Amino acid sequence: AQSVAQPEDQVNVAEGNPLTVKCTYSVSGNPYLFWYVQYPNRGLQFLLKYITGDNLVKGSYGFEAEFNKSQTSFHLKKPSALVSDSALYFCAVREANFGNEKLTFGTGTRLTIIP
Amino acid sequence: GAVVSQHPSRVICKSGTSVKIECRSLDFQATTMFWYRQFPKKSLMLMATSNEGSKATYEQGVEKDKFLINHASLTLSTLTVTSAHPEDSSFYICSARRLAVTDTQYFGPGTRLTVL
Repeated sequence: AQSVAQPEDQVNVAEGNPLTVKCTYSVSGNPYLFWYVQYPNRGLQFLLKYITGDNLVKGSYGFEAEFNKSQTSFHLKKPSALVSDSALYFCAVREANFGNEKLTFGTGTRLTIIP
Repeated sequence: GAVVSQHPSRVICKSGTSVKIECRSLDFQATTMFWYRQFPKKSLMLMATSNEGSKATYEQGVEKDKFLINHASLTLSTLTVTSAHPEDSSFYICSARRLAVTDTQYFGPGTRLTVL
């Protein structure tokens, strides 16, 4: 079974400060990990993914995430937040098995950047 | 690249009618498309996985006779909500997996269904 936890429903950060959105996961084998962002009444936009290789993954709009196998975490980070980063962020996991197509999503974290 | 569209973006219908939602991959071929449902302030719930040319695989608890899925080509999948009721009102989102990029799903903008 695969699962994702996003422990924070809401994160508030002042503009210009670094931001972190937390995600932990559980899979039986190796994980494929993803971050998506959703703006109001819109679908999800792909930000970044970890499949294999370097634990630090860089993605769109200056976001990055670090895969930590020992802590089973994949936290999303950005060094300097923008007001336009305010949105709903979803972490997702898929176990790296052939034939496993399903993504399991976390419950989402609403990020608000305060001007 | 990797653009997925959905049509319509918003639909209001009367109870008992059927509604069809289209999901298209505009600039790539999609071997697999997925249909999700999102409730207000909730995460996405996978409804079914749709493979081109074959029957969709439905998640547990999703009525396949109510939510008909057709994946007729590598760029188009449709979801038909049959005999819609107010409890079917929701935000429906599709995603598509690229043929050459097997590990990433690209999402459509979603369809807001309201059943009166």
